Amino acid sequence: NAGVMQNPRHLVRRRGQEARLRCSPMKGHSHVYWYRQLPEEGLKFMVYLQKENIIDESGMPKERFSAEFPKEGPSILRIQQVVRGDSAAYFCASSPSGTVNYGYTFGSGTRLTVV
Amino acid sequence: KNEVEQSPQNLTAQEGEFITINCSYSVGISALHWLQQHPGGGIVSLFMLSSGKKKHGRLIATINIQEKHSSLHITASHPRDSAVYICAVDGSSNTGKLIFGQGTTLQVKP
Repeated sequence: NAGVMQNPRHLVRRRGQEARLRCSPMKGHSHVYWYRQLPEEGLKFMVYLQKENIIDESGMPKERFSAEFPKEGPSILRIQQVVRGDSAAYFCASSPSGTVNYGYTFGSGTRLTVV
Repeated sequence: KNEVEQSPQNLTAQEGEFITINCSYSVGISALHWLQQHPGGGIVSLFMLSSGKKKHGRLIATINIQEKHSSLHITASHPRDSAVYICAVDGSSNTGKLIFGQGTTLQVKP
């Protein structure tokens, strides 16, 4: 029973390229959350998704960032035209429902470096 | 002022010492989480609390809802406990919209 799988673990992109970060939730989990950890800063909520629905994207930057969680396959966090300020660790978590009682399982993160 | 404040920011201890990390918050919550992050590593959920106290091995977490305060205790600390410990609160909306503290960096020396 694999945990939350994120890939790639490390991603290097040149300025202006696109970055795609993948998150496969734990088996049986239908809720996915993305968080960003900027260097020397704490974690910040980005977006909450259920299958085929964005529930809360209040933490997403207004431009260049998008997220999806299709019916089949992993959740994808997409960053278009990356800039140096996008360099951060991006973590995904999943839960079996939207209620707090089940808690969250986190992945190992994707470290994005923009050069 | 941050909605979730942790203290201390950095902590160095000798192996075997009893360690306490504190977390205060200023918002309404449905649960509070303690997380562990090793350098360059992923995040591990240690505890989820909505009241009282929980214990797992050498780790103990307590929460006082009235005072909006939680503590994480480590008994008989070991160098492998060296990590960043993060307090996070889950607001009433139950949407995974966690508000995180800045973390406490713990180093346990042998």
